Amino acid sequence: DQQVKQNSPSLSVQEGRISILNCDYTNSMFDYFLWYKKYPAEGPTFLISISSIKDKNEDGRFTVFLNKSAKHLSLHIVPSQPGDSAVYFCAATYDYKLSFGAGTTVTVRA
Amino acid sequence: DAMVIQNPRYQVTQFGKPVTLSCSQTLNHNVMYWYQQKSSQAPKLLFHYYDKDFNNEADTPDNFQSRRPNTSFCFLDIRSPGLGDAAMYLCATSRDASGGSTYNEQFFGPGTRLTVL
Repeated sequence: DQQVKQNSPSLSVQEGRISILNCDYTNSMFDYFLWYKKYPAEGPTFLISISSIKDKNEDGRFTVFLNKSAKHLSLHIVPSQPGDSAVYFCAATYDYKLSFGAGTTVTVRA
Repeated sequence: DAMVIQNPRYQVTQFGKPVTLSCSQTLNHNVMYWYQQKSSQAPKLLFHYYDKDFNNEADTPDNFQSRRPNTSFCFLDIRSPGLGDAAMYLCATSRDASGGSTYNEQFFGPGTRLTVL
């Protein structure tokens, strides 16, 4: 049962523009939501997180928004840079465990 | 640099031939995890160790076993690999999250890609 879903497998964006990645979840017990970034031949690395009691968290070019009523979160990257080209995983945590989405491959075009 | 190391990076085995994947960490984290990730799918948690306590996910097949001889090392044993077990296997670690919060940043190794012939 997939509790975290990323419905867009890929996203292509021009350098300098905004990238918006979306994620939906079903389990209301999740208390933290995270985004991980993965380059080829490397493991996922933590990017940004948000507590379930917040609706926004910002870290430099990265902002995560949480809409609990809709069970939806999104990651905004502004401005997008070529080094942002990677797979982005949405994840949610409860009791030590992470549940992941299937990932969105972001390609930033020059 | 503190890190999570997985060996080998690529493993080829034959159908039914037991295989062991290795993970080590220099982070001194209490918790170690094994995930299976098939192509274009979400990483799926197989099991985790909290110190020496083993926690199996309900839907993890019996074919998968794990050992954690000490804090630094954790092994994934696949007793009789089938073609459906071909995947990327990711090891991760995290700190003890018993400080009042369940937020746990997990640190991942680069993964071992398993091919079953």
